Amino acid sequence: NAGVTQTPKFRILKIGQSMTLQCTQDMNHNYMYWYRQDPGMGLKLIYYSVGAGITDKGEVPNGYNVSRSTTEDFPLRLELAAPSQTSVYFCASSYGTGGRNEQFFGPGTRLTVL
Amino acid sequence: SQKIEQNSEALNIQEGKTATLTCNYTNYSPAYLQWYRQDPGRGPVFLLLIRENEKEKRKERLKVTFDTTLKQSLFHITASQPADSATYLCALHRTGANNLFFGTGTRLTVIP
Repeated sequence: NAGVTQTPKFRILKIGQSMTLQCTQDMNHNYMYWYRQDPGMGLKLIYYSVGAGITDKGEVPNGYNVSRSTTEDFPLRLELAAPSQTSVYFCASSYGTGGRNEQFFGPGTRLTVL
Repeated sequence: SQKIEQNSEALNIQEGKTATLTCNYTNYSPAYLQWYRQDPGRGPVFLLLIRENEKEKRKERLKVTFDTTLKQSLFHITASQPADSATYLCALHRTGANNLFFGTGTRLTVIP
């Protein structure tokens, strides 16, 4: 039981490049989330999903896209990378709605945009 | 606007003492409040959840209180150990929302 896995662990992008951050969970959770964490700041929700085929925006969705074709996978897409997207990205999942249930986090992806 | 404040960025305490971390919020009516631990370079790990109608929750050396009148939660670690050194995050859930809103965290250092 691996929990929540994320790839890659680290990535450096040039301005304007695109990439996909991968997230997979093996706990059969319906709810999945993408957060970003900047130094000295709390986690900010980018997008979340309440089940396969259903996604919704969080607090800071601009510059990102998501899809959820399966229960297990929830990839995050950056289309035109900007320096403001330099951050650590965490994927999380929960059995039920994320407020009433604990969230399980992945190890994070550290992204630098130069 | 809605705000979650964890009252200090960093807290240093002596081993064996009780650490008390504070989470204050404004313009929220949270139904649930959660605490997480985060070690450097790693994702947060869930510790405790407390509901709005619960005053206190305990788990081993951890205790959380939730005062909806003061709009405050206190997180206590008794008999603290150097291994408790980490950043602790509080997170709130509003009724009707599907997600959590996180505070900025308090970095706790337990000095041997």
